[in-house]
Amino acid sequence: QSALTQPASVSGSPGQSISISCTGTSSDIGTYNLVSWYQQRPGKVPELIIYEVTKRPSGISIRFSGSKSGYTASLTISGLQAEDEADYYCCSFTRSSTLVFGGGTKVTVL
Amino acid sequence: QVQVQESGPGLVKPSETLSLTCTVSGASISIGYWSWIRQPPGKGLEWVGYIYNSGNTNYNPSLKSRVTISTDTSNNQFSLNVMSVIAADTAVYYCARGPGRTGAFDIWGRGTPVTFSS
Repeated sequence: QSALTQPASVSGSPGQSISISCTGTSSDIGTYNLVSWYQQRPGKVPELIIYEVTKRPSGISIRFSGSKSGYTASLTISGLQAEDEADYYCCSFTRSSTLVFGGGTKVTVL
Repeated sequence: QVQVQESGPGLVKPSETLSLTCTVSGASISIGYWSWIRQPPGKGLEWVGYIYNSGNTNYNPSLKSRVTISTDTSNNQFSLNVMSVIAADTAVYYCARGPGRTGAFDIWGRGTPVTFSS
């Protein structure tokens, strides 16, 4: 299985909105609404921030939102803050009942 | 609350078998899905495999021939064995709860670093 495709980096100024894309295939994102997103701050453990494409776990800021169209899922961060600087990973369930991650996107707050 | 914690040797030699254990507290290992995920130094996350209902497993196709996940219900633990280790197996190994019906990993351990030693 091939990794999902994410941009290597995305940047924005404080207060702006940014979006991170995650492109898969008909075998994963295109078939299932089982896309999740994880935030990993430097030196820290990944944290679940979005699951089932659009849902936020308890305690996750409403500034994080998810969507999907066709084979591409997206994570949007609104009102960008310095604390949002981190690596972000998407993940999808697949037709083989396996899981596949994206390569990760480094978000920089300018 | 549910917590998971990895344990195991930090150093492995070529062709040896890497064995890691994840101890679960606050939930029964007999219920739900439990996974291993790894992250090579400076690189992204890679799903290794999961076990559910204490015995059913599924693995990353690229690792399937060398990986085994099993459970120890008496100690509420699940384990990962990676056979014939190579340099590319050097990574931080995380255990996590999931994917379950949501397809997500909601509880993660702190991770344990494993280094390949020649």
